[in-house]
Amino acid sequence: AQSVTQLDSHVSVSEGTPVLLRCNYSSSYSPSLFWYVQHPNKGLQLLLKYTSAATLVKGINGFEAEFKKSETSFHLTKPSAHMSDAAEYFCVVSDLGRTGTASKLTFGTGTRLQVTL
Amino acid sequence: EAGVAQSPRYKIIEKRQSVAFWCNPISGHATLYWYQQILGQGPKLLIQFQNNGVVDDSQLPKDRFSAERLKGVDSTLKIQPAKLEDSAVYLCASSLDLSRETQYFGPGTRLLVL
Repeated sequence: AQSVTQLDSHVSVSEGTPVLLRCNYSSSYSPSLFWYVQHPNKGLQLLLKYTSAATLVKGINGFEAEFKKSETSFHLTKPSAHMSDAAEYFCVVSDLGRTGTASKLTFGTGTRLQVTL
Repeated sequence: EAGVAQSPRYKIIEKRQSVAFWCNPISGHATLYWYQQILGQGPKLLIQFQNNGVVDDSQLPKDRFSAERLKGVDSTLKIQPAKLEDSAVYLCASSLDLSRETQYFGPGTRLLVL
């Protein structure tokens, strides 16, 4: 079965400094990977997704992630944090590569990003 | 384009009571999902529909949880009777079809069982 591990439950950065949220995955087939963001009392929003095309994926709001098969990692980065980036971030893996038809998402436990002045 | 709608947004009940949540997916989306998100955890899939048929309900506690999508559009998730451990946010999501990995999430219903 596929899984993702988010290495940090909480990350705190100062506004204007880089953001790094770490995610490792486990999968016996070529995975599709996603990052979702959840602001307080809001629904989950897709930031970006990797589906075996370019290994460096650009998403919304200046975020990007790099798929590294050798390290089984899919870390999320942003060059400069903004106060509005404060939220919960989830790394997610899809089983579509295994089943070919039904896409089931498995979520990590989340990383809470705090942005301070 | 309207997003996924859910109601109510908040619900407080006592244990052993029943509760129902409603979801209206994005228009034209054939696949609908219900997730349970317990505080401090990632969402966990409860049930997945394709039109009005169940694709996967392996994680649904069927002794107390039920869900339906009778006309292949709106869906209702019910808990009867509720337990304290059911306190969570219940998220509904939809996608165009089973092969489309991108899911669009509603704002969720926050349930507190006392």
